[in-house]
Amino acid sequence: AQSVSQHNHHVILSEAASLELGCNYSYGGTVNLFWYVQYPGQHLQLLLKYFSGDPLVKGIKGFEAEFIKSKFSFNLRKPSVQWSDTAEYFCAVNGATDSWGKLQFGAGTQVVVTP
Amino acid sequence: NAGVTQTPKFRILKIGQSMTLQCTQDMNHNYMYWYRQDPGMGLKLIYYSVGAGITDKGEVPNGYNVSRSTTEDFPLRLELAAPSQTSVYFCASRDLSGANVLTFGAGSRLTVL
Repeated sequence: AQSVSQHNHHVILSEAASLELGCNYSYGGTVNLFWYVQYPGQHLQLLLKYFSGDPLVKGIKGFEAEFIKSKFSFNLRKPSVQWSDTAEYFCAVNGATDSWGKLQFGAGTQVVVTP
Repeated sequence: NAGVTQTPKFRILKIGQSMTLQCTQDMNHNYMYWYRQDPGMGLKLIYYSVGAGITDKGEVPNGYNVSRSTTEDFPLRLELAAPSQTSVYFCASRDLSGANVLTFGAGSRLTVL
């Protein structure tokens, strides 16, 4: 069965610290990978995505993620966080041949950035 | 351009009551989805639709029903509300070439007491 695992449920860090959120997936085939973010009181929105090609993808607001196929991982990184990065972050996956686009989400990681 | 609009934003139900969560999108997207979000559980797919008149079950469909009579609307019906249905519900949509990128609504917080 497909699954998405996010390693940390809560992360607290100070401004200017580096952030790395782990995401591992279990899926028997080629996948599309996503990170979505939910800022307090706002909609979920796409942070970045990977379909194919360069395994290092860059998203909005200085975020990037690296797809490591051998490790079934798609970790999210940001070198220097800001208070405005306080949000919940979700990793998601679907099969590349799934034309219905049904995403499987991880449990989410609540990130709190302190001033 | 409103995107995906969900109503109501908040609702409290008594056990056994029924209600409909409304979802409308104005982007002419073919695909629409209902997810529920529970703390520490992420989002779980309840139902989805690939076009008017076509719906299918997701991961957690029990206790819910949907219909898709138009491209724009995808209501989610709870017939006999149970405490286990206390959750935040998100509607989402994407177009045929949307590269699986979903546009989400603001969510509807439902509490069943």
